Amino acid sequence: DGGITQSPKYLFRKEGQNVTLSCEQNLNHDAMYWYRQDPGQGLRLIYYSQIVNDFQKGDIAEGYSVSREKKESFPLTVTSAQKNPTAFYLCASSQTGDLSPLHFGNGTRLTVT
Amino acid sequence: SQKIEQNSEALNIQEGKTATLTCNYTNYSPAYLQWYRQDPGRGPVFLLLIRENEKEKRKERLKVTFDTTLKQSLFHITASQPADSATYLCARVNQAGTALIFGKGTTLSVSS
Repeated sequence: DGGITQSPKYLFRKEGQNVTLSCEQNLNHDAMYWYRQDPGQGLRLIYYSQIVNDFQKGDIAEGYSVSREKKESFPLTVTSAQKNPTAFYLCASSQTGDLSPLHFGNGTRLTVT
Repeated sequence: SQKIEQNSEALNIQEGKTATLTCNYTNYSPAYLQWYRQDPGRGPVFLLLIRENEKEKRKERLKVTFDTTLKQSLFHITASQPADSATYLCARVNQAGTALIFGKGTTLSVSS
């Protein structure tokens, strides 16, 4: 089955540690995205990539980094510089083109203590 | 900057009734709006897309409207069922045309 896989489902880290969230897709989509969701908040865009080896900052990129070395993979690193890292992180992909809907993974819930 | 707002955080209705959810946007009219459903602990799932020049779009029990004068989209679920209980998100494209901006969502609860 085609889809997006985010792993792990739950992740726990100590404050001050960097952590990398995995996102893999086998939909052959060019574009990939990372969103963050907090209780009572909408999805907020962290980073996105429309093509391999290129990515752009979204609305809340500070404290995060990404790479896009392969079409299928778009890992997100939450660095120690991110002040409030505890959140639900969602990865998505789409065909490029204006009307393409997003296909989401089932998220990683990160807890930093 | 463009904003997209879903005014109601929660909506409670009885089974069989029609649920109506509202999405308002600011600034210029987006070329289209998208609606998604999200269940707890899961990623959103795409439901419908409506273009600026379409007044109405239907899919089974779902209906979406797009009013550029009011800068508003309405999402209707007719003959609602408890299984329709979820959070519904609307989204518009950002100014660069490269990514979607989402509203905060409306959580619908349908009681039997």
